[in-house]
Amino acid sequence: ETGVTQTPRHLVMGMTNKKSLKCEQHLGHNAMYWYKQSAKKPLELMFVYSLEERVENNSVPSRFSPECPNSSHLFLHLHTLQPEDSALYLCASSQAPSGGAAVADTQYFGPGTRLTVL
Amino acid sequence: LAKTTQPISMDSYEGQEVNITCSHNNIATNDYITWYQQFPSQGPRFIIQGYKTKVTNEVASLFIPADRKSSTLSLPRVSLSDTAVYYCLVAADSNYQLIWGAGTKLIIKP
Repeated sequence: ETGVTQTPRHLVMGMTNKKSLKCEQHLGHNAMYWYKQSAKKPLELMFVYSLEERVENNSVPSRFSPECPNSSHLFLHLHTLQPEDSALYLCASSQAPSGGAAVADTQYFGPGTRLTVL
Repeated sequence: LAKTTQPISMDSYEGQEVNITCSHNNIATNDYITWYQQFPSQGPRFIIQGYKTKVTNEVASLFIPADRKSSTLSLPRVSLSDTAVYYCLVAADSNYQLIWGAGTKLIIKP
């Protein structure tokens, strides 16, 4: 148990569906992340929220829409996805870096949501 | 941005020391190097982090040469439970440019 929970653990959806992934952290962190993990590819950082503000969006398609209502919760809203979006979606949290320091703080990951788009 | 390169897979035996090397030729001055371990159906888990020279904790050591263009994760006396995928991460500045390696699948045999 890492202190980061994700629901659902598995999701199957059609290309016209709308669904949301949920992440919750119980560690008192102030930064949260969404990653995409596809087979045989490096982890892809999708979104970062620090102090509830989005600070990074790595050119992710608009069919993925993040929401961070507070420092403990993070959502990923999905709509009109494509089969190539099938992957493991991981949420992580950490303490946001202070000042101009590099991003070096330990990230704590949830177990992920296995998404299959039909 | 720093690009990281790791071996795709490695095999070893119980009780042996395992060394996994990550190359990061374009590492920047402010970058740290972090290693994570991932088991099936779980998210990655922090193992160790360093900036230069050698860092040791209760589970691993991390060796970083003076030029910092590579790093080596050392796992002493591995057991079957160390079978996992190991990721090298270079934190590429304060704008959250996180560069993950593709991961090394380590298989430990009895």
